[in-house]
Amino acid sequence: AQKVTQAQTEISVVEKEDVTLDCVYETRDTTYYLFWYKQPPSGELVFLIRRNSFDEQNEISGRYSWNFQKSTSSFNFTITASQVVDSAVYFCAPHPPEYGNKLVFGAGTILRVKS
Amino acid sequence: DTAVSQTPKYLVTQMGNDKSIKCEQNLGHDTMYWYKQDSKKFLKIMFSYNNKELIINETVPNRFSPKSPDKAHLNLHINSLELGDSAVYFCASSPPAGYQETQYFGPGTRLLVL
Repeated sequence: AQKVTQAQTEISVVEKEDVTLDCVYETRDTTYYLFWYKQPPSGELVFLIRRNSFDEQNEISGRYSWNFQKSTSSFNFTITASQVVDSAVYFCAPHPPEYGNKLVFGAGTILRVKS
Repeated sequence: DTAVSQTPKYLVTQMGNDKSIKCEQNLGHDTMYWYKQDSKKFLKIMFSYNNKELIINETVPNRFSPKSPDKAHLNLHINSLELGDSAVYFCASSPPAGYQETQYFGPGTRLLVL
């Protein structure tokens, strides 16, 4: 199965709020990688984070953190102290071997950060 | 230095015309891809080449023909354009295709068919 679900179509927050973007996927593979990409209003696709399925320890990089839980096939992404420049569409793209040599993207979550 | 570049950035054309989009990467990657993003922002793979060899060919009309003259270039030619071809087309590249590799995307080509 190649199914990636980003249930939140759109989220609006006020600047400085924390926001978590959800991603759930289906796979029978046990070893794989997961990616998040950002698409700002200018339209380009920007790589944000990559992590593997080996280690479930949550990680933090600046204002970004992610929570990976293999048992529930979820890979959530959190922005702390959001800023207006974080306004964008965020795409989750898990990449297990069964998906083939391609990224299968979720439908994306539109994040609007208001000042 | 642009890592993955595409030309043109915008393309407006009439139905029935033939057009090409060019992609170049200077990252030294072996694998290149074409993705299509529709009006609802859904992103889907179209083709992938590894060192000039086609490795992925999704269910795409044969009006779309990719060509890879060398591993740094992957062009997309579209014949007999239709209204439904209007979309943003993204080129991407990565080290040799594998589930662990990060794909880096070009800026996109916004195609509008009138």
